[in-house]
Amino acid sequence: DVKVTQSSRYLVKRTGEKVFLECVQDMDHENMFWYRQDPGLGLRLIYFSYDVKMKEKGDIPEGYSVSREKKERFSLILESASTNQTSMYLCASSFKLAGGAGEQFFGPGTRLTVL
Amino acid sequence: SQQGEEDPQALSIQEGENATMNCSYKTSINNLQWYRQNSGRGLVHLILIRSNEREKHSGRLRVTLDTSKKSSSLLITASRAADTASYFCATGRYNNNDMRFGAGTRLTVKP
Repeated sequence: DVKVTQSSRYLVKRTGEKVFLECVQDMDHENMFWYRQDPGLGLRLIYFSYDVKMKEKGDIPEGYSVSREKKERFSLILESASTNQTSMYLCASSFKLAGGAGEQFFGPGTRLTVL
Repeated sequence: SQQGEEDPQALSIQEGENATMNCSYKTSINNLQWYRQNSGRGLVHLILIRSNEREKHSGRLRVTLDTSKKSSSLLITASRAADTASYFCATGRYNNNDMRFGAGTRLTVKP
């Protein structure tokens, strides 16, 4: 079974703190993704990576950065956490398909609260 | 911007009835996927339909795709209480590795 794990299920941080969210997948997937999920807004893509050290901005990259030093690991960094970054963060991974992305496998999510 | 938009936002039916959810999108796609999310849990992939396909089945699920109307529908037949969940469509563009999700349809199946 494909497994995508995230470093924490719940996280509480203070405004201004630097926050690291880690995601690891064990299926040798090329693609990895970070989304945030808010009520009524569905999933919004923050960043994705299609290869080691490669990254592309999604729809809401402001206030976030990412790192992919190894194929299996994709980190999301909140440089200076703010209360509007309180959300559920979901990591996903997938193989590349001809012409686009394949089925995504999701981690359980990290519920981040910024006080 | 978000690619897919699901309709309706919420749907409530009785067990045994069929449930139909729709998804509209804005740009050309390589494929369209449907996912399910049970309360408080991660998303699970249900089905992928490519842009050159019109219909696909998987168990009680039937997905259609109309690229001329930029829309897709997910039909769940003979629904069960366990089908209660949020359902999302996601679209992938040609030669892009990213996926865009809609806001989802919340399905409630009453026993």
